[in-house]
Amino acid sequence: AQRVTQPEKLLSVFKGAPVELKCNYSYSGSPELFWYVQYSRQRLQLLLRHISRESIKGFTADLNKGETSFHLKKPFAQEEDSAMYYCALSPAGRDDKIIFGKGTRLHILP
Amino acid sequence: GAGVSQSPSNKVTEKGKDVELRCDPISGHTALYWYRQSLGQGLEFLIYFQGNSAPDKSGLPSDRFSAERTGGSVSTLTIQRTQQEDSAVYLCASSALGQEQFFGPGTRLTVL
Repeated sequence: AQRVTQPEKLLSVFKGAPVELKCNYSYSGSPELFWYVQYSRQRLQLLLRHISRESIKGFTADLNKGETSFHLKKPFAQEEDSAMYYCALSPAGRDDKIIFGKGTRLHILP
Repeated sequence: GAGVSQSPSNKVTEKGKDVELRCDPISGHTALYWYRQSLGQGLEFLIYFQGNSAPDKSGLPSDRFSAERTGGSVSTLTIQRTQQEDSAVYLCASSALGQEQFFGPGTRLTVL
């Protein structure tokens, strides 16, 4: 079955500390993995995707196929990073539905 | 462009009534998706339209839910005989072929 698991509902981190949002997935093929973010009162938006191997707003995520994980990391948290983060997979790439995890709310403490 | 738009932004209805939710995708986007965002369940896929192909309805939770996409543009999600468990934010997204999905602001549905 296709599943995305985010074990933490809420993660509180002090400003300047490292951030790691965990994500594990279950899928038999080779899905495309994403992180989406929803800031307060804003639309859900794409943060990054694994195939582009890019760093957005200081965030990176490495796909580990052996552990079926796609954890999101940032070395130094900023207050504006406070938001809801969703890990997601697309079974057939970008032209397909997205299976989302239940999300992790990241709260950056001053 | 203005991005994906959805209407209404909020809808309150009584249990048993039918509701229609509208989505206007970004002009030129061939793919349109509906998702549901509810407390404790996160974001769930509902239905996906791609061009003239038959839609992927695999995420619709029951036969009370249906969706249409007219003229390859605007889409309407209809929920018949609404139940309290249908209360959620309904999100629409659109994409060009091979590109990322852009999400609308959502319609918050409350079933009393």
